[in-house]
Amino acid sequence: DAGITQSPRHKVTETGTPVTLRCHQTENHRYMYWYRQDPGHGLRLIHYSYGVKDTDKGEVSDGYSVSRSKTEDFLLTLESATSSQTSVYFCAISDPGSSYEQYFGPGTRLTVT
Amino acid sequence: SQQGEEDPQALSIQEGENATMNCSYKTSINNLQWYRQNSGRGLVHLILIRSNEREKHSGRLRVTLDTSKKSSSLLITASRAADTASYFCATDYQGAQKLVFGQGTRLTINP
Repeated sequence: DAGITQSPRHKVTETGTPVTLRCHQTENHRYMYWYRQDPGHGLRLIHYSYGVKDTDKGEVSDGYSVSRSKTEDFLLTLESATSSQTSVYFCAISDPGSSYEQYFGPGTRLTVT
Repeated sequence: SQQGEEDPQALSIQEGENATMNCSYKTSINNLQWYRQNSGRGLVHLILIRSNEREKHSGRLRVTLDTSKKSSSLLITASRAADTASYFCATDYQGAQKLVFGQGTRLTINP
């Protein structure tokens, strides 16, 4: 988990409220990713970023938006949280110089009630 | 749908035994990676094997890749209690910068 932090680590929120999760890296890696992990589905890519202000959708992007205004920060926003977005969210980073091996943050457990 | 499918979904062995996990995928790849996840933690990269490699070693880990069968295996020798974790394969068939993860094998090492 060194070099990657996620905040908050745990959050409980109500349906319909906006939620923003933050990923912060100190490794200066070019690529940043948001995944969600659910039982029976493994790890699924939500969005990723290949540079400042450059983002693209992943497999399960509906209901999520992202922003990257600085190399070190990648934000994931749930505009209007739903119970189906209850999950554990992981941020990861990678860089071409490291053969795109991904390094993961500690995760954020989000519960939408 | 998942590109990588791990087999078995769960594996329980005695400490000291070897553990073998398999991963199958559907389309051509440039490389395949294996990751470990301890309960409640993020994934940790274990090893990467390129499509032109057949076998790779790292400590007690041995990974094989058979591109003709589109499959890979991860062998952990002389297992320890600390190896208890979930293990995931990941492929880059959508591009090197985007990995697609399988659903994982949950490995339990019994003392």
